[in-house]
Amino acid sequence: DIQMTQSPSSLSASVGDRVTITCQATQDISNYLNWYQQQPGKAPKLLIYDASNLETGVPSRFSGSGSGTDFSFTISSLQPEDIATYYCQQYDNLPPTFGGGTKVEIK
Amino acid sequence: QVQLVQSGAEVRKPGASVKVSCTASGNTFNNHGIHWVRQAPGQRLEWMGCISVDNGKTKYSQKFQGRVTINRDTSASRAYMDLSSLRSEDTAVYYCAISGRYFWVFGYWGQGTPVTVSS
Repeated sequence: DIQMTQSPSSLSASVGDRVTITCQATQDISNYLNWYQQQPGKAPKLLIYDASNLETGVPSRFSGSGSGTDFSFTISSLQPEDIATYYCQQYDNLPPTFGGGTKVEIK
Repeated sequence: QVQLVQSGAEVRKPGASVKVSCTASGNTFNNHGIHWVRQAPGQRLEWMGCISVDNGKTKYSQKFQGRVTINRDTSASRAYMDLSSLRSEDTAVYYCAISGRYFWVFGYWGQGTPVTVSS
């Protein structure tokens, strides 16, 4: 199975800050990488698909980039409603696998 | 807008089975895949398997092969996940998710079904 490593595992930032999360795959996954947001007590929600494509209806402050083995996810201006855990997920190889998550908190 | 509604919380003893349902609304059940993903306490999301709604073909994670069965009832826009030989490590929240633009992009998720395995 492809292992996905996210960092950091948690972070604390102020409202308006730029926040970046990285995700690394153990092998080349091209751009078959999605990002999900899971707010406390809720189901995950798709934000970014194919590494850099913003899902319909998702605010433009969220963005993703990367290809191959190294990817990043950015919130350009952190908002209070962005408090959540963020997961990357690869689907280049079966089974699809998720990163360990990055918990984002407000300072 | 797609909505997935799952069945309620379950408690089972070790060795038993559990069946979780997932009902789709919004006339989007066909032409999609339904995936099952679980999240044990403090653990990452874990994909278990999926079914293509149109032809009923299934794929399972090797980890759950032989213990998990996924099927669907297209007339009811419903999918089911059956997990057998339960053990305490199967205590988790089980989610269904429907494919979005692509089969392996999980576009919409159900609310989750907590399953507790305890003697």
